[in-house]
Amino acid sequence: AQSVTQLDSHVSVSEGTPVLLRCNYSSSYSPSLFWYVQHPNKGLQLLLKYTSAATLVKGINGFEAEFKKSETSFHLTKPSAHMSDAAEYFCVSLNQAGTALIFGKGTTLSVSS
Amino acid sequence: DAMVIQNPRYQVTQFGKPVTLSCSQTLNHNVMYWYQQKSSQAPKLLFHYYDKDFNNEADTPDNFQSRRPNTSFCFLDIRSPGLGDAAMYLCATKGARPKQPQHFGDGTRLSIL
Repeated sequence: AQSVTQLDSHVSVSEGTPVLLRCNYSSSYSPSLFWYVQHPNKGLQLLLKYTSAATLVKGINGFEAEFKKSETSFHLTKPSAHMSDAAEYFCVSLNQAGTALIFGKGTTLSVSS
Repeated sequence: DAMVIQNPRYQVTQFGKPVTLSCSQTLNHNVMYWYQQKSSQAPKLLFHYYDKDFNNEADTPDNFQSRRPNTSFCFLDIRSPGLGDAAMYLCATKGARPKQPQHFGDGTRLSIL
Protein backbone atom coordinates (compact mmCIF):
# COMPACT_ATOMS: atom_id res chain seq x y z
CA ALA A 1 0.00 0.00 0.00
CA GLN A 2 1.16 3.50 -0.72
CA SER A 3 2.08 5.70 2.24
CA VAL A 4 3.80 8.94 3.17
CA THR A 5 5.81 9.37 6.37
CA GLN A 6 6.87 12.73 7.72
CA LEU A 7 9.74 11.99 10.03
CA ASP A 8 9.36 14.98 12.37
CA SER A 9 6.13 16.16 13.92
CA HIS A 10 7.72 19.44 14.99
CA VAL A 11 10.76 21.37 13.74
CA SER A 12 12.05 24.55 15.35
CA VAL A 13 14.54 26.90 13.67
CA SER A 14 15.81 30.42 14.15
CA GLU A 15 15.05 33.10 11.60
CA GLY A 16 17.72 33.15 8.90
CA THR A 17 18.80 29.53 9.40
CA PRO A 18 18.10 26.66 6.98
CA VAL A 19 14.92 24.63 7.06
CA LEU A 20 14.76 20.86 6.47
CA LEU A 21 11.44 19.01 6.64
CA ARG A 22 11.79 15.30 5.99
CA CYS A 23 9.44 13.07 4.05
CA ASN A 24 9.72 9.44 2.96
CA TYR A 25 7.28 7.71 0.65
CA SER A 26 6.38 4.15 -0.11
CA SER A 27 5.03 3.36 -3.55
CA SER A 28 4.95 0.47 -6.00
CA TYR A 29 4.77 2.87 -8.95
CA SER A 30 6.37 6.14 -9.97
CA PRO A 31 4.80 8.60 -7.52
CA SER A 32 3.51 12.13 -7.86
CA LEU A 33 4.50 14.05 -4.75
CA PHE A 34 3.55 17.45 -3.39
CA TRP A 35 4.33 19.70 -0.47
CA TYR A 36 1.51 21.85 0.88
CA VAL A 37 1.65 24.52 3.59
CA GLN A 38 -1.22 25.44 5.90
CA HIS A 39 -1.24 28.59 7.99
CA PRO A 40 -3.62 28.79 10.98
CA ASN A 41 -7.29 28.87 9.96
CA LYS A 42 -6.39 28.73 6.30
CA GLY A 43 -6.62 26.16 3.54
CA LEU A 44 -3.71 24.25 2.05
CA GLN A 45 -1.44 26.10 -0.35
CA LEU A 46 0.66 24.19 -2.87
CA LEU A 47 4.38 24.84 -2.39
CA LEU A 48 5.73 22.55 -5.10
CA LYS A 49 5.10 19.34 -7.00
CA TYR A 50 7.11 16.45 -8.42
CA THR A 51 5.60 14.53 -11.33
CA SER A 52 8.58 12.56 -12.75
CA ALA A 53 10.33 15.41 -14.55
CA ALA A 54 13.35 17.10 -12.88
CA THR A 55 14.27 15.55 -9.54
CA LEU A 56 15.07 18.95 -7.98
CA VAL A 57 11.86 20.89 -7.78
CA LYS A 58 11.70 24.60 -7.02
CA GLY A 59 8.59 25.99 -5.42
CA ILE A 60 7.21 29.23 -4.12
CA ASN A 61 8.68 31.37 -1.32
CA GLY A 62 12.20 29.98 -1.78
CA PHE A 63 11.33 26.36 -0.99
CA GLU A 64 12.66 23.43 -2.94
CA ALA A 65 12.56 19.64 -2.69
CA GLU A 66 14.64 16.84 -4.13
CA PHE A 67 13.15 13.53 -5.22
CA LYS A 68 15.57 10.69 -4.37
CA LYS A 69 14.33 7.36 -5.61
CA SER A 70 17.17 5.39 -4.02
CA GLU A 71 16.25 6.80 -0.61
CA THR A 72 12.47 7.01 -1.27
CA SER A 73 12.65 10.56 0.05
CA PHE A 74 11.24 13.96 -0.90
CA HIS A 75 12.64 16.35 1.70
CA LEU A 76 11.67 20.02 1.70
CA THR A 77 14.37 22.67 2.20
CA LYS A 78 14.78 26.41 2.36
CA PRO A 79 18.12 28.17 2.77
CA SER A 80 16.91 30.86 5.17
CA ALA A 81 13.78 30.74 7.31
CA HIS A 82 11.45 33.71 7.69
CA MET A 83 9.02 34.28 10.52
CA SER A 84 6.20 33.99 8.01
CA ASP A 85 7.24 30.38 7.26
CA ALA A 86 5.86 29.25 10.62
CA ALA A 87 3.01 26.91 9.66
CA GLU A 88 1.98 23.27 9.21
CA TYR A 89 3.56 21.45 6.28
CA PHE A 90 2.12 18.36 4.62
CA CYS A 91 3.96 15.96 2.35
CA VAL A 92 1.39 14.41 0.04
CA SER A 93 1.31 11.68 -2.58
CA LEU A 94 -1.22 11.00 -5.29
CA ASN A 95 -2.78 7.53 -5.45
CA GLN A 96 -2.15 5.43 -8.53
CA ALA A 97 -5.56 6.19 -10.01
CA GLY A 98 -4.87 9.91 -9.61
CA THR A 99 -8.13 10.40 -7.76
CA ALA A 100 -7.05 10.89 -4.15
CA LEU A 101 -4.32 12.47 -2.06
CA ILE A 102 -2.40 10.47 0.54
CA PHE A 103 -1.29 12.77 3.34
CA GLY A 104 1.57 12.55 5.75
CA LYS A 105 0.71 13.46 9.35
CA GLY A 106 2.19 16.93 8.98
CA THR A 107 5.16 18.80 10.42
CA THR A 108 4.73 21.96 12.45
CA LEU A 109 7.48 24.47 11.68
CA SER A 110 8.24 27.06 14.36
CA VAL A 111 10.51 30.01 13.59
CA SER A 112 12.00 32.09 16.39
CA SER A 113 13.57 35.52 16.12
CA ASP B 1 -7.65 36.35 -6.60
CA ALA B 2 -9.34 33.54 -4.72
CA MET B 3 -10.11 30.64 -7.05
CA VAL B 4 -11.77 28.27 -4.61
CA ILE B 5 -14.12 30.18 -2.34
CA GLN B 6 -15.78 28.76 0.74
CA ASN B 7 -18.63 30.39 2.58
CA PRO B 8 -19.02 31.07 5.36
CA ARG B 9 -15.53 31.03 6.87
CA TYR B 10 -16.99 30.34 10.30
CA GLN B 11 -20.27 28.58 10.99
CA VAL B 12 -21.93 27.89 14.32
CA THR B 13 -24.86 25.51 14.53
CA GLN B 14 -26.78 23.70 17.22
CA PHE B 15 -26.53 20.02 17.96
CA GLY B 16 -28.83 18.20 15.54
CA LYS B 17 -29.67 21.26 13.43
CA PRO B 18 -28.94 20.77 9.71
CA VAL B 19 -26.21 22.91 8.23
CA THR B 20 -24.97 23.54 4.69
CA LEU B 21 -21.48 24.64 3.72
CA SER B 22 -20.79 26.05 0.29
CA CYS B 23 -17.88 26.01 -2.14
CA SER B 24 -17.50 27.74 -5.46
CA GLN B 25 -14.66 27.74 -7.98
CA THR B 26 -13.54 29.92 -10.87
CA LEU B 27 -11.08 27.36 -12.25
CA ASN B 28 -13.62 25.37 -14.26
CA HIS B 29 -12.15 22.18 -12.81
CA ASN B 30 -13.91 18.86 -13.32
CA VAL B 31 -13.28 17.48 -9.86
CA MET B 32 -14.42 18.91 -6.54
CA TYR B 33 -13.55 17.41 -3.15
CA TRP B 34 -14.74 17.82 0.43
CA TYR B 35 -12.38 17.14 3.32
CA GLN B 36 -12.83 17.18 7.08
CA GLN B 37 -9.85 18.32 9.13
CA LYS B 38 -9.75 18.04 12.89
CA SER B 39 -7.25 19.80 15.08
CA SER B 40 -3.62 18.78 14.53
CA GLN B 41 -4.59 16.18 11.91
CA ALA B 42 -4.27 15.86 8.18
CA PRO B 43 -7.38 16.42 6.07
CA LYS B 44 -9.63 13.38 5.64
CA LEU B 45 -11.46 12.93 2.35
CA LEU B 46 -15.25 12.68 2.69
CA PHE B 47 -16.27 12.48 -0.98
CA HIS B 48 -15.67 13.95 -4.38
CA TYR B 49 -17.45 14.72 -7.63
CA TYR B 50 -15.96 14.03 -11.04
CA ASP B 51 -18.25 16.25 -13.08
CA LYS B 52 -21.68 14.99 -11.95
CA ASP B 53 -20.45 11.58 -10.79
CA PHE B 54 -20.49 11.34 -7.00
CA ASN B 55 -17.85 9.23 -5.21
CA ASN B 56 -18.32 8.58 -1.53
CA GLU B 57 -15.51 7.34 0.71
CA ALA B 58 -16.39 4.07 2.40
CA ASP B 59 -16.06 5.44 5.92
CA THR B 60 -17.93 8.72 5.42
CA PRO B 61 -20.94 8.76 7.77
CA ASP B 62 -24.42 8.85 6.22
CA ASN B 63 -24.94 12.12 8.07
CA PHE B 64 -22.78 13.82 5.44
CA GLN B 65 -24.15 14.44 1.98
CA SER B 66 -23.19 16.59 -0.97
CA ARG B 67 -24.73 18.31 -3.97
CA ARG B 68 -23.16 19.71 -7.09
CA PRO B 69 -25.77 21.62 -9.09
CA ASN B 70 -23.26 22.85 -11.69
CA THR B 71 -19.53 22.95 -12.44
CA SER B 72 -18.88 25.97 -10.24
CA PHE B 73 -20.68 25.07 -7.02
CA CYS B 74 -20.59 22.23 -4.54
CA PHE B 75 -22.36 21.96 -1.18
CA LEU B 76 -21.75 19.90 1.92
CA ASP B 77 -24.87 19.09 3.92
CA ILE B 78 -24.65 17.77 7.47
CA ARG B 79 -28.10 16.47 8.32
CA SER B 80 -27.84 16.17 12.09
CA PRO B 81 -24.54 17.54 13.35
CA GLY B 82 -23.07 15.96 16.43
CA LEU B 83 -20.36 17.35 18.69
CA GLY B 84 -17.83 15.15 16.91
CA ASP B 85 -18.51 16.94 13.62
CA ALA B 86 -16.90 20.15 14.84
CA ALA B 87 -13.95 20.61 12.49
CA MET B 88 -12.52 22.58 9.60
CA TYR B 89 -14.15 21.61 6.31
CA LEU B 90 -12.02 22.10 3.22
CA CYS B 91 -13.11 22.17 -0.40
CA ALA B 92 -10.61 21.44 -3.17
CA THR B 93 -10.69 21.26 -6.96
CA LYS B 94 -8.62 19.54 -9.61
CA GLY B 95 -8.51 19.53 -13.37
CA ALA B 96 -9.06 16.41 -15.46
CA ARG B 97 -5.44 15.92 -16.57
CA PRO B 98 -3.55 13.29 -14.58
CA LYS B 99 -1.03 14.18 -11.86
CA GLN B 100 -2.38 17.67 -11.33
CA PRO B 101 -2.39 19.01 -7.77
CA GLN B 102 -5.54 19.93 -5.91
CA HIS B 103 -6.35 23.57 -5.18
CA PHE B 104 -7.85 24.26 -1.77
CA GLY B 105 -10.18 26.90 -0.44
CA ASP B 106 -9.59 28.56 2.94
CA GLY B 107 -12.09 26.30 4.64
CA THR B 108 -15.14 26.69 6.86
CA ARG B 109 -14.63 26.18 10.57
CA LEU B 110 -17.75 24.54 11.99
CA SER B 111 -18.62 24.78 15.67
CA ILE B 112 -21.45 22.82 17.31
CA LEU B 113 -23.25 24.18 20.36
